[in-house]
Amino acid sequence: GAVVSQHPSWVICKSGTSVKIECRSLDFQATTMFWYRQFPKQSLMLMATSNEGSKATYEQGVEKDKFLINHASLTLSTLTVTSAHPEDSSFYICSASPGSNSPLHFGNGTRLTVT
Amino acid sequence: GENVEQHPSTLSVQEGDSAVIKCTYSDSASNYFPWYKQELGKRPQLIIDIRSNVGEKKDQRIAVTLNKTAKHFSLHITETQPEDSAVYFCAASIRAGGGNKLTFGTGTQLKVEL
Repeated sequence: GAVVSQHPSWVICKSGTSVKIECRSLDFQATTMFWYRQFPKQSLMLMATSNEGSKATYEQGVEKDKFLINHASLTLSTLTVTSAHPEDSSFYICSASPGSNSPLHFGNGTRLTVT
Repeated sequence: GENVEQHPSTLSVQEGDSAVIKCTYSDSASNYFPWYKQELGKRPQLIIDIRSNVGEKKDQRIAVTLNKTAKHFSLHITETQPEDSAVYFCAASIRAGGGNKLTFGTGTQLKVEL
């Protein structure tokens, strides 16, 4: 149980274009999902907390207009990287928990390469 | 906010030896401390977690200890095997689950040599 699925697994896009990443909780509902970014050989850095039916909460230094988050249902959150640039190239991972007092489970991640 | 430090950044051990990774945290309100294993290019996988109402937890070759007074916790892997080679992350949160976000340590690259 507690499976989190992420799509796509990898994407290559041109500079200036937008990319949408989907995160789904397959066997549980999640009112909250988290989006992390991981650069090579670095730790996971929280970008934002996605809240179902309300606005996302962004961490300090993360541009909310560049990283658009939509949590339209209890099983789906999307992250859209707008006007992508090469410095946005990274590994983006979503996560969610099946409920209170339950561990956080991660999606399989999306490798974004901006050329 | 919470700040989690992790040491060492790299650790090389011989197969069969033990490996110890240590973390410290800053927020005394943190009560939940999971450990994740991440293989190259893959998602982090939870391997063990501990809550503040216990001081030690063990699962086969893996154990975690917690010292709330000193605000540090450690991961112990005994009888290491080559498949234990990966990056290990500690993390801290006020509580498990729900909307409680995790703060991660910087990671430890563990290499188990034959």
